[in-house]
Amino acid sequence: AQTVTQSQPEMSVQEAETVTLSCTYDTSESDYYLFWYKQPPSRQMILVIRQEAYKQQNATENRFSVNFQKAAKSFSLKISDSQLGDAAMYFCAYRANFGNEKLTFGTGTRLTIIP
Amino acid sequence: NAGVTQTPKFQVLKTGQSMTLQCAQDMNHNSMYWYRQDPGMGLRLIYYSASEGTTDKGEVPNGYNVSRLNKREFSLRLESAAPSQTSVYFCASSPLFAGGNEQYFGPGTRLTVT
Repeated sequence: AQTVTQSQPEMSVQEAETVTLSCTYDTSESDYYLFWYKQPPSRQMILVIRQEAYKQQNATENRFSVNFQKAAKSFSLKISDSQLGDAAMYFCAYRANFGNEKLTFGTGTRLTIIP
Repeated sequence: NAGVTQTPKFQVLKTGQSMTLQCAQDMNHNSMYWYRQDPGMGLRLIYYSASEGTTDKGEVPNGYNVSRLNKREFSLRLESAAPSQTSVYFCASSPLFAGGNEQYFGPGTRLTVT
């Protein structure tokens, strides 16, 4: 079974600084997707960014970017110019791109923004 | 456009009681999901419906049943609640079941079983 590991239960960053959240995953598949979801205090899960394993270029969405290292099975999220609204739990997730494969989540990293 | 809605937002049950969590989406999505979120464990899939008329077990289906009432609605039923089912429950939907489709989540239901 696929597993997703987030080894940093908590992280903090000064407002306007850059922070990187780590994620590793275990799979024998070559075709899959990786996701970062944000869960603010409101509890609503929101997709931050998505990466397709076959695309070599790292995905970016405004201040959010990823460092996708396929051989190392690593998928980190970089948040630049951190803002107070970025405070949330961040979940890394994996999904193989075939059949009835489900979305597998990591255990999350709680990000605190220090004003 | 409300997205994914869930009712109720909070519920307290006694052991052995039953209840149904309701979920509806207005995005014309084909696939719907029920997850539970426990501290330190991320989200785990309970049941899913890849398309209207189908339902399948996820990672932790024991103690739950689901009904895909129509394309919009997907309910989760606890027949005899147990304290181990204390959790936050999320419903989600996606356009298709395929790998890269974004899942859109509801606001969650916090359930406490005493």
